[in-house]
Amino acid sequence: DTGVSQDPRHKITKRGQNVTFRCDPISEHNRLYWYRQTLGQGPEFLTYFQNEAQLEKSRLLSDRFSAERPKGSFSTLEIQRTEQGDSAMYLCASSSPGQGPYNEQFFGPGTRLTVL
Amino acid sequence: GQNIDQPTEMTATEGAIVQINCTYQTSGFNGLFWYQQHAGEAPTFLSYNVLDGLEEKGRFSSFLSRSKGYSYLLLKELQMKDSASYLCAVSNTDKLIFGTGTRLQVFP
Repeated sequence: DTGVSQDPRHKITKRGQNVTFRCDPISEHNRLYWYRQTLGQGPEFLTYFQNEAQLEKSRLLSDRFSAERPKGSFSTLEIQRTEQGDSAMYLCASSSPGQGPYNEQFFGPGTRLTVL
Repeated sequence: GQNIDQPTEMTATEGAIVQINCTYQTSGFNGLFWYQQHAGEAPTFLSYNVLDGLEEKGRFSSFLSRSKGYSYLLLKELQMKDSASYLCAVSNTDKLIFGTGTRLQVFP
């Protein structure tokens, strides 16, 4: 399968713990995005990378959140000192601008985080 | 500010036609996407509009009016498998700004 993959698919943690999620984009895609989606809402943009450079961060991304893409391939999203309000689906997407007429983002299956 | 509005829920009957509206006010605009999302799954691409007018793709069509900040997704010959959430998203610089999504239920 050559789609976007995310690991783990589900994570249950206790408040105050740190968690890390991984995203593997489609191999030839240089753009990688992180979104957060809560129940009944659309995805909200968190941050994105072009290759290894983090180009934009949302104000939603507090200092407890950090994302990396060290070699321009996979990315990790870490949440420190988790809070119950962090419970959500974390979606990763990738794209390759210039390959087609528009910058279509391909989404992974998401990591569902539950903070108890 | 960024604001994208769509109805929260809609219902329709198998075989019918349904139109899902989306209005937007965003600081930038590089095109408008429609995604389909089944419960618990990732959003999947349906359509893209950057110029005014109608784009048709099989049973799905999408319309855009940039001057009115308005788009709609038209689904024809509805099938039970079309029961899903439909997300309107504006491309702003390189990120997507999503609406809350419209949950469509198709009944037999």
